[in-house]
Amino acid sequence: DGGITQSPKYLFRKEGQNVTLSCEQNLNHDAMYWYRQDPGQGLRLIYYSQIVNDFQKGDIAEGYSVSREKKESFPLTVTSAQKNPTAFYLCASRRDRGGNQPQHFGDGTRLSIL
Amino acid sequence: AQKITQTQPGMFVQEKEAVTLDCTYDTSDQSYGLFWYKQPSSGEMIFLIYQGSYDEQNATEGRYSLNFQKARKSANLVISASQLGDSAMYFCAMREGWGKLQFGAGTQVVVTP
Repeated sequence: DGGITQSPKYLFRKEGQNVTLSCEQNLNHDAMYWYRQDPGQGLRLIYYSQIVNDFQKGDIAEGYSVSREKKESFPLTVTSAQKNPTAFYLCASRRDRGGNQPQHFGDGTRLSIL
Repeated sequence: AQKITQTQPGMFVQEKEAVTLDCTYDTSDQSYGLFWYKQPSSGEMIFLIYQGSYDEQNATEGRYSLNFQKARKSANLVISASQLGDSAMYFCAMREGWGKLQFGAGTQVVVTP
């Protein structure tokens, strides 16, 4: 079945450590997104990519980095510069064919500090 | 500045009743889109319904309908005949420019027997 796979489901980070969250899609979607969700709040955009080898900062990009070397993959690295990384991270993709196309989401990764 | 406002942090609704979730938005664009998503406790985001700014009719998808009042900048979600499985967090989102979404803070819905 087509969909978006995020891994791992749960991730723990030590102080000063970089961690990478995986996001893979087999929907042949052009655009991909990373969001952060804090408890009881809405989603905030971290980074997005419209096309391979290109990506833009969202509203809260500081302390995060991404790459888009393949259409299917959009990994997010949470760097040690992100001082409050504990959150729920959601990856999404979208078919870039008109404004009415919804974003489709993965099941998310819960990141915690050890 | 917050562009999507959901004023109801939480709501209780009885099974089989209808419920309306409020959403107001702020934009100076003529072309925009409004989306509603459902987030169960497991965390995944499920797309429910879409309304484009130029759509003249209110969107409907099964038990979901959108009460779109453009002049008032509101896009309320109506869930008819609520079911226990409708208990979840509901988010209103607005498409900005190319593809990006701005999300509201969400409304927690609890359906009671």
